[in-house]
Amino acid sequence: AQTVTQSQPEMSVQEAETVTLSCTYDTSENNYYLFWYKQPPSRQMILVIRQEAYKQQNATENRFSVNFQKAAKSFSLKISDSQLGDTAMYFCAFMKYGNYGGSQGNLIFGKGTKLSVKP
Amino acid sequence: KAGVTQTPRYLIKTRGQQVTLSCSPISGHRSVSWYQQTPGQGLQFLFEYFSETQRNKGNFPGRFSGRQFSNSRSEMNVSTLELGDSALYLCASSMSINQPQHFGDGTRLSIL
Repeated sequence: AQTVTQSQPEMSVQEAETVTLSCTYDTSENNYYLFWYKQPPSRQMILVIRQEAYKQQNATENRFSVNFQKAAKSFSLKISDSQLGDTAMYFCAFMKYGNYGGSQGNLIFGKGTKLSVKP
Repeated sequence: KAGVTQTPRYLIKTRGQQVTLSCSPISGHRSVSWYQQTPGQGLQFLFEYFSETQRNKGNFPGRFSGRQFSNSRSEMNVSTLELGDSALYLCASSMSINQPQHFGDGTRLSIL
């Protein structure tokens, strides 16, 4: 069974600074996806970034980037130039590769990191 | 393009009752998944539907069931409600297999 661990329950950062959220996972699968989702107080889960395990290049989306270390099973999220709107719960999630004709892999989430951006 | 729509946003029920939650996926998305979010257990997968067929199921009792209609809309039903069923229920849709899942705002279910 796959597990996802986020070891930082809470973090804070000053506006405009950089923060890194940690995530480790355990799996015996070779093909899978990793995600970071953001859940602000409005509660909608918003996809931040996606990484495909077979790609060595780290994914980036504007101010958000990941450091994917497949051998170490580590998947951290770096937020640059933090903004007040980045205040939210951040969830790391794993999804194994689904085979066409079979089921969509379900997301397995970590417990989340509550990030506060301070003015 | 409209996002995933879940109704109702809030629901209050008493123990023993049953409840039905609704989810309309993003237009063109055929896969719908349901998740339960609680402070204690975090986010847990309930089930996934594609083309009106349940393809994957999480580790929940049979009181939790769902279905998907021909227009991809999905409903989730919980019977004989228990206090522990109080949670935020999130629906997610994706275009096809191995595509990112996009979430709705959720239905907050409170059991008294």
